[in-house]
Amino acid sequence: GIQVEQSPPDLILQEGANSTLRCNFSDSVNNLQWFHQNPWGQLINLFYIPSGTKQNGRLSATTVATERYSLLYISSSQTTDSGVYFCAVFKAASNKLTFGGGTRVLVKP
Amino acid sequence: GAGVSQSPSNKVTEKGKDVELRCDPISGHTALYWYRQSLGQGLEFLIYFQGNSAPDKSGLPSDRFSAERTGGSVSTLTIQRTQQEDSAVYLCASSLLSSGTYEQYFGPGTRLTVT
Repeated sequence: GIQVEQSPPDLILQEGANSTLRCNFSDSVNNLQWFHQNPWGQLINLFYIPSGTKQNGRLSATTVATERYSLLYISSSQTTDSGVYFCAVFKAASNKLTFGGGTRVLVKP
Repeated sequence: GAGVSQSPSNKVTEKGKDVELRCDPISGHTALYWYRQSLGQGLEFLIYFQGNSAPDKSGLPSDRFSAERTGGSVSTLTIQRTQQEDSAVYLCASSLLSSGTYEQYFGPGTRLTVT
């Protein structure tokens, strides 16, 4: 099956810093989503981005489908950005999202 | 509008007992998925329902796990004779799956603890 790798596994940031999270995947996909898992375990949809670039406030994401990777940018980080960020890819033929291992982010005040 | 809801939010059960977990998808979403999140295995797919088609059960870890979806809406995941390794957070997601849109939306999960 398709493999999804995220890096780095852990990230510690000072409030106000910028960072980039990476997601590599091993096959062509129909969809890619970025999620933020909050401390209560809820998966919050950040981006639905099979290709191209999107921005939402201080967050932006870019997916280069032909090179099989996606990047999530966090700018001017805040303590509320802490949590685990997951990348997940979807192939219509497999009927499921395949998740990466996540990047655990801690933003210190 | 209302998102995906799941109940109960927490469930503690004794080894060997059966449990039922419930998922209410977003209204109008035709596709429904179950995943689970455990410390050792990360987030993994369990089962997929789409309309009236036969479900894709390829992710169910054993025959103790089953799921049904009634009336194309609410789904119940049943685990029989629970084992300690079944302890995990069980997540439900739904998707519209029309016009090539595959975005999935997740519920808050049910945390299952088998003692």
